[in-house]
Amino acid sequence: DADVTQTPRNRITKTGKRIMLECSQTKGHDRMYWYRQDPGLGLRLIYYSFDVKDINKGEISDGYSVSRQAQAKFSLSLESAIPNQTALYFCATSDLVGVNTGELFFGEGSRLTVL
Amino acid sequence: QKEVEQNSGPLSVPEGAIASLNCTYSDRVSQSFFWYRQYSGKSPELIMSIYSNGDKEDGRFTAQLNKASQYVSLLIRDSQPSDSATYLCAVNREDSSYKLIFGSGTRLLVRP
Repeated sequence: DADVTQTPRNRITKTGKRIMLECSQTKGHDRMYWYRQDPGLGLRLIYYSFDVKDINKGEISDGYSVSRQAQAKFSLSLESAIPNQTALYFCATSDLVGVNTGELFFGEGSRLTVL
Repeated sequence: QKEVEQNSGPLSVPEGAIASLNCTYSDRVSQSFFWYRQYSGKSPELIMSIYSNGDKEDGRFTAQLNKASQYVSLLIRDSQPSDSATYLCAVNREDSSYKLIFGSGTRLLVRP
């Protein structure tokens, strides 16, 4: 089993629908991140959390919200999906050492299509 | 100006050649630099990190950093078809909150 698991892996939805992407990890890391990847734009940080009580906005948080339900779980919500939120979404984790070494451990990605 | 810039490619090299991937960054106080490899349809994985000026070698990979020129590069010697992937440059901002800023990636194709 993957250390960082994302569900669903693929989702097609319609404009205006609420969508939740879930991430769980077994690495025991405190820090968790949500990125989106678009062709030609690379990975952009949406939200990050350094522990259960710490949530921070990234570069592109508008239209998204997150919830850190436990150390191991970090979910991303789109309250009212729009077509330009069509992208590949990655959850990632790191520990304190990882902060200094730059090592993020990524999930397998969730491909979201908003029609 | 993007914080981290890379040529999108594709960079095409023959098998056995040296592939040179380049990255520039705009924030002079950036301190840590990383190269991630991403195969098509897969998630990124860290392959190299570099923190000080100069070269750092790991097997067939060499990362080079020049902070004065705000430039970091990745050299892949004896390129193999299995090296064909997108290579993402990432920079750690030197501020109180840790977050990696990624470039858009360079696609590398190694021709057999």
